[in-house]
Amino acid sequence: NAGVTQTPKFQVLKTGQSMTLQCAQDMNHNSMYWYRQDPGMGLRLIYYSASEGTTDKGEVPNGYNVSRLNKREFSLRLESAAPSQTSVYFCASVAQRGLSEQYFGPGTRLTVT
Amino acid sequence: AQTVTQSQPEMSVQEAETVTLSCTYDTSESDYYLFWYKQPPSRQMILVIRQEAYKQQNATENRFSVNFQKAAKSFSLKISDSQLGDAAMYFCAQGGAGTYKYIFGTGTRLKVLA
Repeated sequence: NAGVTQTPKFQVLKTGQSMTLQCAQDMNHNSMYWYRQDPGMGLRLIYYSASEGTTDKGEVPNGYNVSRLNKREFSLRLESAAPSQTSVYFCASVAQRGLSEQYFGPGTRLTVT
Repeated sequence: AQTVTQSQPEMSVQEAETVTLSCTYDTSESDYYLFWYKQPPSRQMILVIRQEAYKQQNATENRFSVNFQKAAKSFSLKISDSQLGDAAMYFCAQGGAGTYKYIFGTGTRLKVLA
């Protein structure tokens, strides 16, 4: 099993450009998450998908959109990138809420100039 | 609203010694779950230990244990016999039984001195 995979690993964008971060999991997990990690801020939840066909906002959703394409895949889109979106982005999945472990992808380092 | 606070941005410990990382939280849920995750320089997040709030007994995983004080809303992580490989960022996190959201603290960077 590959676990949670993310593409790309690194990306540099100019202000105003758009891009989609891809995430896939092969563990048949129900719920998937997008976080951003910034120095001194920890991990902050952007969007999550409790199950296939549903998505909900997290703490910091502004400037982002998501798509739960199927049970395996959950993408994050930046329509018009801003320097404030420079961050490391993590995708995660969990089998079910509660005590289940979240499995994280390796992260995408995004720089917006 | 759920909050998780880690008040120690950085800690140091001598190899083979014991260190405790602090975490406090706030939640309106009566049933919830607490976690400690480790993030080494590779950036990969790894679960260290987890605790169900309704279980009074503190969780233990080898050299890692927690001190869960429910009334004080405190969930500290104790690392015994610290090893160089324990050097990492440690995040405390909380999830509720009635929500799919997890809230993370800001992290504590642990340095292990040889």
